[in-house]
Parts: sequence; C-alpha cells; structure tokens
Amino acid sequence: AQSVAQPEDQVNVAEGNPLTVKCTYSVSGNPYLFWYVQYPNRGLQFLLKYITGDNLVKGSYGFEAEFNKSQTSFHLKKPSALVSDSALYFCAVRDDSSASKIIFGSGTRLSIRP
Amino acid sequence: KAGVTQTPRYLIKTRGQQVTLSCSPISGHRSVSWYQQTPGQGLQFLFEYFSETQRNKGNFPGRFSGRQFSNSRSEMNVSTLELGDSALYLCASSLMDSGANVLTFGAGSRLTVL
Repeated sequence: AQSVAQPEDQVNVAEGNPLTVKCTYSVSGNPYLFWYVQYPNRGLQFLLKYITGDNLVKGSYGFEAEFNKSQTSFHLKKPSALVSDSALYFCAVRDDSSASKIIFGSGTRLSIRP
Repeated sequence: KAGVTQTPRYLIKTRGQQVTLSCSPISGHRSVSWYQQTPGQGLQFLFEYFSETQRNKGNFPGRFSGRQFSNSRSEMNVSTLELGDSALYLCASSLMDSGANVLTFGAGSRLTVL
C-alpha cells in the first residue's frame, strides 16, 4: 500500500532563513506525490505535485520540492521563509486504486518566527 | 469560479444522534472525496464518489455513509454519533483524469459531539 511519512511534527525557522519540511514515501509503481498546506480554520490548499520528469518541482508561494528516488524522499523547501508561511503542511501520495484517492502524511507544523 | 462549498460549517450534536453534511463541488468536477481530520488520527480517507457511484471507501464503520447526486453534489451521513466522531470533515473535488488529480478542498464542517 502507498504511504508517506513526515518525521517532524514541528519545524521552527527564523524569517528569511531557508526552510525544509521532510517527507519520505513508500509506493509500488510510479510515485505520484503532493504537498498541501492548511491554514487555521481552512481546508487544504494544493502547493505542488510530482508525476515524472524533473526532480525539482516548483509550486505556489515560492515553494519547491525535491524528488529523490534513491532516498525515497520528497522534501518541501523554500529559500527564504516568511512569517505568513506558518501553517500545517501535508505530504501526500496518490493511492494505487484511484487517481482521486490521496493518502496524507501526519502533517508538519511550520512556525516562522519574525 | 466558485470553490468547494461545505455546509454547515459548524455543528454540535449529542451522542446517539445522526448528522448529514453537504458538499457542492467545483462546477465540472465529477469526483468528490471526503476526509475526516482529527488531532490524533490526522487526515483519514472516508470515501470517494464519481458519477453517483462510490469508487473507494476507507476503513470506517458502517455508521458512516455517503452519496452523490446527479449534479455531483455529495452528502455524507453519520448515524448513532459517538464522542470520537468529533472532527473536521473535509470534502474535496477533482476532475476524474488519470495520473495525479489535484484535490480542491472546501473549508470543512466542524462537528462536535457532546
């Protein structure tokens, strides 16, 4: 079965510093990977996805993710963090039974201090 | 383009009651998925509907049910409510394409069971 793991419950970064939110995956077949963000009292918003091609995927709000097949990782990155980036981030993988069934990781709370 | 609309946004029920939650997908989206979000279990997949047919079901008891109408609107019902059903219920819609569908989420319905 497809799964993703987010090893960090919380990541704290100073504004202006680079940030990384970690994700590892376990899939059979081709990995279809996603990052979503959730702001307080809101639903999830799509940030980016990897299907195939370039290992560096660019997404919304200046975020990017690096796909690494040998390490089975899909870490989310941003060169310079903003206070407004503070939110809950979810890594996700498409289930092998349906293109619309997405399995989410446990989430990582990102806190950016001014 | 209107987003995914969920109603009601907040509701309080008592144990043993039942509840019905509604979701109106983005116009043209034919797939609707439901997720339960709790602090302890994270985001868990409930079900997915496409063209009024349930295509996938998560690992939830039979008290959780859903349906989709011909206009793609969806409802989910929880009967005989338990305290543990308190959660944020999220609906998401997507185009039923192959590959990696992007889910667009509603703001959620927050259910509190007393």
